[in-house]
Amino acid sequence: EVQLVQSGAEVKKPGESLKISCKGSGYSFTSYWIGWVRQMPGKGLEWMGIIYPGDSDTRYSPSFQGQVTISADKSISTAYLQWSSLKASDTAMYYCARPLCSSTSCHAFDIWGQGTMVTVSS
Amino acid sequence: AIQLTQSPSSLSASVGDRVTITCRASQGISSALAWYQQKPGKAPKLLIYDASSLESGVPSRFSGSGSGTDFTLTISSLQPEDFATYYCQQFNSYPLLTFGGGTKVEIK
Repeated sequence: EVQLVQSGAEVKKPGESLKISCKGSGYSFTSYWIGWVRQMPGKGLEWMGIIYPGDSDTRYSPSFQGQVTISADKSISTAYLQWSSLKASDTAMYYCARPLCSSTSCHAFDIWGQGTMVTVSS
Repeated sequence: AIQLTQSPSSLSASVGDRVTITCRASQGISSALAWYQQKPGKAPKLLIYDASSLESGVPSRFSGSGSGTDFTLTISSLQPEDFATYYCQQFNSYPLLTFGGGTKVEIK
């Protein structure tokens, strides 16, 4: 079964650092991009960025460039989303997702992680 | 960056109603559009990709249409389990992606 399993909920203070994870299984981890999506409480979905674990090619939404770092460790089939200094406004649910791809293009995110809730509060 | 505008942002409907949600792109995106359903506390679920292709396992009452800048998600006969929020997403500029703002479908 193809699945993405994310790390558990986190409660942090402003200014702290954090790295959350997304482990892929049931498929060739290095052959598919993995994206990250933010959902603030009561709000819509926001695409943050995406990484290709095969060569670590990473692209960011302009809204998140410089605010977070996306990385991957292909030896353990895991992608990461990290912050160096959290803010209260980073409080949100974060999802990782894998796209449905043919040999020539990708079409949608068909596999989603269960989400990681990050709460930042003093 | 490509912007996606969904309308309406919310709607109230009854079981059995035909429901239509619109997604407009700020520039042409061919047919590179997906639709998702999200229920409270759950990850989004893919319904439609390539504007009109039904994801495996999704009921046939869901359909998508459109190309270029204007797209539609239609639920032909709303069921109780369809009350949720729906999002469009463009894949034309993959791997740079965008979501629409969402449409909440509520019970009338």
